Amino acid sequence: KAGVTQTPRYLIKTRGQQVTLSCSPISGHRSVSWYQQTPGQGLQFLFEYFSETQRNKGNFPGRFSGRQFSNSRSEMNVSTLELGDSALYLCASSLEGTQDTQYFGPGTRLTVL
Amino acid sequence: KNEVEQSPQNLTAQEGEFITINCSYSVGISALHWLQQHPGGGIVSLFMLSSGKKKHGRLIATINIQEKHSSLHITASHPRDSAVYICAVGGGSATNKLIFGTGTLLAVQP
Repeated sequence: KAGVTQTPRYLIKTRGQQVTLSCSPISGHRSVSWYQQTPGQGLQFLFEYFSETQRNKGNFPGRFSGRQFSNSRSEMNVSTLELGDSALYLCASSLEGTQDTQYFGPGTRLTVL
Repeated sequence: KNEVEQSPQNLTAQEGEFITINCSYSVGISALHWLQQHPGGGIVSLFMLSSGKKKHGRLIATINIQEKHSSLHITASHPRDSAVYICAVGGGSATNKLIFGTGTLLAVQP
């Protein structure tokens, strides 16, 4: 089975722009979670989707949003980018949820200038 | 105080040594995960456990629910084990949300 894929792998944007990141889970997985990793804050939970519904959300401003499609693919969007949004964005998929093993994608490295 | 604390933050070992990384948490959990991250970012799930002990190859993970403590052991360490090891806890019965420790950077020298 193919692993979790994320596109694009690298992205450079300027402040004020918006960005959309994509995550394709492992075939058959219905749960997708998104995480942000920065040198200062480490790994932090952004949100989680299951069957097209946001099941949980982390403590991030409303500029961060996401969605999940009927094929379980997920996108996250960050509007009005700030310098502090520069980070590695990781998605992870699992079969159902409720503390299944999570399989991580390679991440999207976002740089905001 | 962070909800998930790891120690040590940095660890240098010689090839062949037995390595222990510790994780303590202060929240109620439904499962604890040990993750490995190599330079470049990719994260691999090593273990998910909610009680007792699990073993996979040279890696052993234990958890003591009463003491809210887990350990990851690496036997006969090898330079290829060099990576960041991250402890993460899942707190809910209907969510995959994870709370992460700050990670332990392990360097195994030949």
